[in-house]
Amino acid sequence: DAKTTQPPSMDCAEGRAANLPCNHSTISGNEYVYWYRQIHSQGPQYIIHGLKNNETNEMASLIITEDRKSSTLILPHATLRDTAVYYCIVRVGTYKYIFGTGTRLKVLA
Amino acid sequence: GAVVSQHPSWVICKSGTSVKIECRSLDFQATTMFWYRQFPKQSLMLMATSNEGSKATYEQGVEKDKFLINHASLTLSTLTVTSAHPEDSSFYICSARDQGQETQYFGPGTRLLVL
Repeated sequence: DAKTTQPPSMDCAEGRAANLPCNHSTISGNEYVYWYRQIHSQGPQYIIHGLKNNETNEMASLIITEDRKSSTLILPHATLRDTAVYYCIVRVGTYKYIFGTGTRLKVLA
Repeated sequence: GAVVSQHPSWVICKSGTSVKIECRSLDFQATTMFWYRQFPKQSLMLMATSNEGSKATYEQGVEKDKFLINHASLTLSTLTVTSAHPEDSSFYICSARDQGQETQYFGPGTRLLVL
């Protein structure tokens, strides 16, 4: 079973920040949190990952709570092209990803 | 960097035939490759994990004799769907992990339709 839970869907206005939450209450101390997104009929695209500290790259920011039981992916200025299913993943066992149901983000014009 | 390709991107075949799907890491050496299957409106389901030069490890419920996986080099893994049937129609996606890294990079997927 996936070690993460996410809301099934969210809407966001174009140009606004999209904040996607993820719960991972059973995460272990050395396990990273990964975020991917899947645009329709394509393979998942890597976005960002983190362990304890907040992370930022050209695509997004990742905020991880101090107890590491939850995190938030932030797309600072959502565009229509960001419409996708976003997956939050915590590694299971040796390098395995078990995908949950993800959050379907719809960016509205 | 970290590009993974798959070939073919889509394939249509008759029931009973076998289909081979290739997964290549283009700019890194993939110690481990993974194969997933995704049905419409569902999430990705891990089928198997393959390490270069060794037998694949299959997830529970995945028939290893039906889904043959070969990972003969650090840049190529193949998935062969043997004696395909209409219920095998799905979107097959591979991913690859660079040696020493945990992050997986995914291919664009192969859509299989079995008639």
